Amino acid sequence: QSALTQPASVSGSPGQSITISCTGTGSDVGGYNFVSWYQQHPGKAPKLMLYDVSNRPSGVSNRFSGSRSGNTASLTISGLQAEDEADYYCSSYTSSTTLVFGGGTKLTVL
Amino acid sequence: QVQLVQSGAEVKKPGASVKVSCKASGYTFTGYYIYWVRQAPGQGLEWMGWSNPNSGGTKYAQKFQDRVTMTRDTSINTAYMELGSLRSDDTAVYYCARGPPGGYDPSFDYWGQGTLVTVSS
Repeated sequence: QSALTQPASVSGSPGQSITISCTGTGSDVGGYNFVSWYQQHPGKAPKLMLYDVSNRPSGVSNRFSGSRSGNTASLTISGLQAEDEADYYCSSYTSSTTLVFGGGTKLTVL
Repeated sequence: QVQLVQSGAEVKKPGASVKVSCKASGYTFTGYYIYWVRQAPGQGLEWMGWSNPNSGGTKYAQKFQDRVTMTRDTSINTAYMELGSLRSDDTAVYYCARGPPGGYDPSFDYWGQGTLVTVSS
């Protein structure tokens, strides 16, 4: 199972909005509602930010939102803040009954 | 509060095996699956498999199928991941994470602190 495709890096200024894409196939991202997003700061464990494409766990800011179109899921962060600078990973269930992560995207807040 | 506490860092020689533990507390251990994810230095996350603490059932990523074993001891609320035939490219931080039953939903809401496994001759 190949990793899902994410841009290596994105950047934005404080207050702006950014979107990170996660592209798979109809056998993973496009085929199931089981897509999650994680935030990881250096040296820390990942943190769940979104699950089931667009649902936020309790305690996650509503500045984080998710969507999907076809085989591409997206994470949007609005009102960018310095603390949002981190690596972001998507993950999806696959038709092989396994899970797969994206390659990760480094978000830089300018 | 929910916690997953992993065992400490390990240094192993190529060809050896390593067993990482993950002790759960603050919730019903058998009510959630334990997932294992690893991260090589400077690299992304890689899903290794899951363990069902209730039944003992497991599912492994094909890449690790022939050399990983995931087990659990419900008497002490602890899950284990053993990886054999270690190679240098197995050097990574290994994480356990709690996730929903079923093995199809990658929404891991609690993670262990990670265990660094270094493979070096």
